[in-house]
Amino acid sequence: SYELTQPPSVSVSPGQTARITCSGDALPKQYAYWYQQKPGQAPVLVIYKDSERPSGIPERFSGSSSGTTVTLTISGVQAEDEADYYCQSADSSGTHRVFGGGTKLTVL
Amino acid sequence: EVQLVESGGGLVQPGGSLRLSCAASGFTFSSYWMSWVRQAPGKGLEWVANIKQDGSEKYYVDSVKGRFTISRDNAKNSLYLQMNSLRAEDTAVYYCARELAAAGTGLGYWGQGTLVTVSS
Repeated sequence: SYELTQPPSVSVSPGQTARITCSGDALPKQYAYWYQQKPGQAPVLVIYKDSERPSGIPERFSGSSSGTTVTLTISGVQAEDEADYYCQSADSSGTHRVFGGGTKLTVL
Repeated sequence: EVQLVESGGGLVQPGGSLRLSCAASGFTFSSYWMSWVRQAPGKGLEWVANIKQDGSEKYYVDSVKGRFTISRDNAKNSLYLQMNSLRAEDTAVYYCARELAAAGTGLGYWGQGTLVTVSS
């Protein structure tokens, strides 16, 4: 079955830039989405269609795509950004969605 | 305001069945694809199934195919997940989710989740 691969953890100091990658063979064909999840809460969509930001999501969140890798970039990281981040996309047929394993962002 | 409220979770023995419901409000339910996503304790998110606006298309993750059935009742603004032949590995919080806007805009709205525990 199709898989998306994320690093288990990323650590940054406040004010720095965090980059979280997600790799998958179908990413050149399928859009990627990014979700933020804090403990005990439902996920929140922070990026859709590779690089679009939903209303209400701070501008410091951005997304990009290059070949089989997509990247979530958080510029000027704040303490409140500490959370788990999940990428999501679909298989090559577009019918089955899949999530990456998640990346725990730690703000030092 | 978009609201999604799941119910129906609980403790069930292996091999048993459970039906989850998701009551939707604050939007035109019949206009959106709907999804179920689950999260095992301490683990990541796993997409389970989704269903087209009119119920004509349904897709499932391989691990639940043949055991789970997603359905919807647009007249009642409700989404369902019938879970049969439950296994310990189905233990998770189950979330109901809606596309942000049109299809392909991501899961922009989520319920609070309902916990399903499969154990003897």
